[in-house]
Amino acid sequence: GIQVEQSPPDLILQEGANSTLRCNFSDSVNNLQWFHQNPWGQLINLFYIPSGTKQNGRLSATTVATERYSLLYISSSQTTDSGVYFCAVGSNAGGTSYGKLTFGQGTILTVHP
Amino acid sequence: EAGVTQSPTHLIKTRGQQATLRCSPISGHTSVYWYQQALGLGLQFLLWYDEGEERNRGNFPPRFSGRQFPNYSSELNVNALELEDSALYLCASSKGLTGFKEKLFFGSGTQLSVL
Repeated sequence: GIQVEQSPPDLILQEGANSTLRCNFSDSVNNLQWFHQNPWGQLINLFYIPSGTKQNGRLSATTVATERYSLLYISSSQTTDSGVYFCAVGSNAGGTSYGKLTFGQGTILTVHP
Repeated sequence: EAGVTQSPTHLIKTRGQQATLRCSPISGHTSVYWYQQALGLGLQFLLWYDEGEERNRGNFPPRFSGRQFPNYSSELNVNALELEDSALYLCASSKGLTGFKEKLFFGSGTQLSVL
């Protein structure tokens, strides 16, 4: 199956700093999403971005599908950005992978005031 | 518009018992997915239902089963509970058979503790 690797595993920032989270995946995908899991366990969908670039406020994401990686940028970080960020990928290639999102292990982000 | 709702929020069972977890998708969504998030194991795909049919399942034993009702809500059943089944169970929904090219929206989860 598809392998997903996220880096860095942990990231500690001061409020106002910028950061870049990376997601590498091992095979072609037609579905790539970034999620933020808050301290209460809720997974919030940040982006659906199998290719290209999107922006939403202080967050933006870029996926280069041909090189099998995606980046999540957080600018002017705030304490409420703390939590775990997951990259998840999927394929409609059929078989056991269809309809399945494979998640990376996540990046734990801590933003200090 | 209501998001994905799951019940109960917490569930405590003992080994060997059965657990039933429930999920209501976003209105208009026909696909429901179940994921397990156990400590140290990350998020693992369990089951996918669409239009009342099981479309795919992850690498879990048969004692993990479920169903999808005509109103698209879903139930996950875990029989013969084992200690390692303790985890956060997350349900997600999406619009359904679009070649899996769409966002998934997750509920807040059910925390299952097996004693």
